[in-house]
Amino acid sequence: DIQMTQSPSSLSASVGDRVTFTCRASQRISNSLNWYQQKPGKAPNLLIYAASNLQGGVPSRFSGSGFGTDFTLTISSLQPEDFATYYCQQTYSTLFTFGQGTKLET
Amino acid sequence: QVQLQESGPGLVKPSETLSLTCTVSGGSIRSFYWSWIRQPPGKGLEWIGYTHTSETTNYNPSLKSRVTMSVDTSKNQFSLKVSSVTAADTAVYYCARPISMGTFGAFDIWGQGTMVTVSS
Repeated sequence: DIQMTQSPSSLSASVGDRVTFTCRASQRISNSLNWYQQKPGKAPNLLIYAASNLQGGVPSRFSGSGFGTDFTLTISSLQPEDFATYYCQQTYSTLFTFGQGTKLET
Repeated sequence: QVQLQESGPGLVKPSETLSLTCTVSGGSIRSFYWSWIRQPPGKGLEWIGYTHTSETTNYNPSLKSRVTMSVDTSKNQFSLKVSSVTAADTAVYYCARPISMGTFGAFDIWGQGTMVTVSS
């Protein structure tokens, strides 16, 4: 199995901050990395696919980068609605795996 | 606009079989690989597997011996069965669709999720 490790597990930030989440794969996964946002009681929402492609309807303050084993999700200027938990997911292998999540808190 | 809706019992007894259905509305069930994902209370996401109208399936090895997925094109539904459940199978179960036909795992459409509790 490809293990996905997110850091940190939780992050405190304020509105207007620039925030970066990190996701590391246990082996190289090319650009087969997706990012999701999940709010309490809701299904995850796809933000970024294939490492750096912004999903339609997602604000441009979200961006993704990385290749191989190390990936980042950046929010350029944090908005109140961005406080949530963020998950990365690899789809390089046929066993899709998620990171454990990073909870973004105020 | 495609929407997904999970349905099934919210309570299942230990050792019995969990059965859920996902109804696809606003689009065809054909040509996509349909996945199930679960999330235990307060924990992260676990991909269970996917199915396709071609009867192709791919299951998470951790659950493979207990999982069956299938598609009913006449009803525009796909289903999940997990046998011999234990308390560890208690979770919110989501059905999901990938971003485009022929791809597998960037899920852009999700059901709202259904909570399944395993308890006697």
